Amino acid sequence: DAGVIQSPRHEVTEMGQEVTLRCKPISGHNSLFWYRQTMMRGLELLIYFNNNVPIDDSGMPEDRFSAKMPNASFSTLKIQPSEPRDSAVYFCASSRTGGNQPQHFGDGTRLSIL
Amino acid sequence: DQQVKQNSPSLSVQEGRISILNCDYTNSMFDYFLWYKKYPAEGPTFLISISSIKDKNEDGRFTVFLNKSAKHLSLHIVPSQPGDSAVYFCAASAGGSEKLVFGKGTKLTVNP
Repeated sequence: DAGVIQSPRHEVTEMGQEVTLRCKPISGHNSLFWYRQTMMRGLELLIYFNNNVPIDDSGMPEDRFSAKMPNASFSTLKIQPSEPRDSAVYFCASSRTGGNQPQHFGDGTRLSIL
Repeated sequence: DQQVKQNSPSLSVQEGRISILNCDYTNSMFDYFLWYKKYPAEGPTFLISISSIKDKNEDGRFTVFLNKSAKHLSLHIVPSQPGDSAVYFCAASAGGSEKLVFGKGTKLTVNP
């Protein structure tokens, strides 16, 4: 079975540019999560979806961040405009819907904003 | 306000010995706990979990112990192998919520 697939693996762009991160969850998983990992704050949840519907976006840092899930097999996290402090590793994870289900992570996108 | 704390940033053990990774939490509503392992340039990989109705869960070389009164859990790896060298994250959730709160991780090094 294919795991969670994220693209790109690395992104380097200049401040002010729009950045789009992509995620394909594991087939059959109806919950999708976006995380950000930094040295200072560790791994923090940004937003999660159930059945393509955003359930909790309280972790989204600012209005510059937005996430969509147009269908069960695809999600995007967009930053517009990007800033140097957005530099981090962004992970997508998926799980079966319901509590007490382990989440399965992709390999992340390492984002550098110059 | 860190609700899940891993106070040891790093741990070094000899191959074949026991590795004990510790995790403390402050939110008494947490009732489901997980351990993840992460290699460099990869995403975290689920290792083992435990529900608050248990105090121990075992899977091969990995055992997780939960002490609810102390709000403490630990991961034991016996025997430790060089391939276990990774960063280990503790995570918790409350009341069937899908939201996980992660600790900052402990880097384990197993020396041959």
